[in-house]
This record gives sequence, C-alpha cells and structure tokens, in this order.
Amino acid sequence: EIVLTQSPGTLSLSPGERATLSCRASQSVSSSYLAWYQRKPGQAPRLLIYAASSRATGIPDTFSGGGSGTDFTLTIARLEPEDFAVYYCQHYGSSSWTFGQGTRVEIK
Amino acid sequence: QGQLVESGGGVVQPGESLRLSCAASGFTFSTFGMHWVRQAPGKGLEWVAVLSFDGSNKYYADSVKGRFTISRDNSRNTLYLQMNSLTAEDTAVYYCAKGRTSSGYYTYFDYWGQGTLVTVSP
Repeated sequence: EIVLTQSPGTLSLSPGERATLSCRASQSVSSSYLAWYQRKPGQAPRLLIYAASSRATGIPDTFSGGGSGTDFTLTIARLEPEDFAVYYCQHYGSSSWTFGQGTRVEIK
Repeated sequence: QGQLVESGGGVVQPGESLRLSCAASGFTFSTFGMHWVRQAPGKGLEWVAVLSFDGSNKYYADSVKGRFTISRDNSRNTLYLQMNSLTAEDTAVYYCAKGRTSSGYYTYFDYWGQGTLVTVSP
C-alpha cells in the first residue's frame, strides 16, 4: 500500500503570503493519480487538484499542483482568508485510495 | 452541481449495527461509482468501500471487510452502508463521495457529502 506523508503538519502564514504544501509517496506513483482536497470545519471536502496539476471546476488559479514520482506539491500563490483550512493529498488507483494525514494552514 | 447528503449516523453500542444512507442529486447517479470514506476523531481520512455504477462490483478496506456492506438503489439515487459488528474503532464521521468513473476505480472524488457521525460506545 502506498503511504502518503504530508509536510509540514501545520503552516502558519499571513493573508497574501504564498503557501507550499508537500506530499511524499512511499513509492513512485503516476501523476495521473494524485489529487488534493481542501476541508473546512463542518463542510464537505472540496476537490482542488486532480492528476497532480489539473484544477477542478471552479478552483481559482491561485491554486496550483505539481510534482512527479514520489514528490508532489500544492501551492497557494496568495492566501485569501477563506483559504485557511486543512489540505489533504490522495493517491487513487485500481483498488487503493489513500490519503495523507493533512496539512493545516492557519493564520499567523 | 452535484450534492450528496448523508444520514443515519448516531450512537450505538459495540456489536450493534447501523445503516447509513447517502442521497444524491444534481448528477446522473446511476452512471458513477460511489465511495464511502471515514475520519476518526483526531485521525486522517480513511477510504472504506467502493461500489460500481450498477452495484455489480464492490471492494472494501481490510478494516471493514466482512462487517460492512455497500449497496445502492439507483431508482432512489441513494447509496447505503450497512455496518455490522461495530467496534469503538469504527467511531468516525462517514462521508460518501462520488467518483468520476463508472467502476469507481482509478478516480478521485469530485463531490463529497458533509458527513454523518457514528459513535460506538458502551
């Protein structure tokens, strides 16, 4: 089973700053099968990025994804107040759907 | 815009059963594979089960295999999770999620519900 490790656990930043979140896989994965989600308290998780770098419908271009092999990143170019949340990466495959433990982006 | 609404959560004792429902709207439910995902208190997201568009193909996480059953009623646009022999380790918020493929495999989840809380406690 592929294990995803996200870092850092918590990111303390101010609005307007750039956020870079990391997701490392225990073995090489196809970038076609890596997604990122945002979750806010009391809300449904929201798909941000799929296939490592494709933005989901309605996601602003301040969100971008990249990486390949075992190392993937989610970048938020300029943090808006509504972007402070927990972010999860996910690998999806033939019979495996695993998530990282999450990175909390909090207001500094 | 798709919407998923879970229901059926609650407090049960160890060994008891519970059935969760997930009502879908805003998309053609009968053409997509569907999933259940859970999050225990203080823990990360854990995938639970997948069901193909027509109910013919299902797959479970090892942690629930033999105890949980995923099913669907396409005439009612509803997904179910029958949970038997519940233990404290099953305490979690349970989410249903929509895949982008008919099989439910090789897919991210483009819609999620807000979740329903299941608490297993003596």
